[in-house]
Amino acid sequence: AQSVTQLGSHVSVSEGALVLLRCNYSSSVPPYLFWYVQYPNQGLQLLLKYTTGATLVKGINGFEAEFKKSETSFHLTKPSAHMSDAAEYFCAVSEAYDMRFGAGTRLTVKP
Amino acid sequence: EPEVTQTPSHQVTQMGQEVILRCVPISNHLYFYWYRQILGQKVEFLVSFYNNEISEKSEIFDDQFSVERPDGSNFTLKIRSTKLEDSAMYFCASSGQARNTEAFFGQGTRLTVV
Repeated sequence: AQSVTQLGSHVSVSEGALVLLRCNYSSSVPPYLFWYVQYPNQGLQLLLKYTTGATLVKGINGFEAEFKKSETSFHLTKPSAHMSDAAEYFCAVSEAYDMRFGAGTRLTVKP
Repeated sequence: EPEVTQTPSHQVTQMGQEVILRCVPISNHLYFYWYRQILGQKVEFLVSFYNNEISEKSEIFDDQFSVERPDGSNFTLKIRSTKLEDSAMYFCASSGQARNTEAFFGQGTRLTVV
């Protein structure tokens, strides 16, 4: 069964600094990979997804992620953090009819 | 923009009572899901539903849980005899196709079992 590991339950960066949120996956088939963001007291919003094709995918709000099969990774990056990026971020993997989430990484952005 | 709608936003129930959480998926979607998130913890998959039957379920989805699509628009999660540990945020999601399309999530129902 597929699974996701997010390294670092809490990441803190300064405004304008690089954001790097790590995600490693395990899957018995070519995975479909997703990053979701959750703002306080809200549902999950899709940031970006990888299905097939280009391994560098761009999402909303300036985020991007690169699928690296050799490293079984799908890390999320953003060149310059903004205060509004403060939220919980979840990496997810899908093999079939379900989607399995990582434990989440809380991003804090300091002024 | 189409969205997934969940009601109620907050449900308080006594231990042992039955609860039904309701969801209206996006109208042309075919795949429906329930997830839960215990406070401060990860989002956990409960069940997926396609073509009027369960397509996959997790170990969490035991006999006290059931899902139903009673009509063409609603998708419900029933918990027969709630326990304290069922207290969580429950998210409904839907997608247009399997796997390769994003799942759209509702805003969640916060279930509190007292």
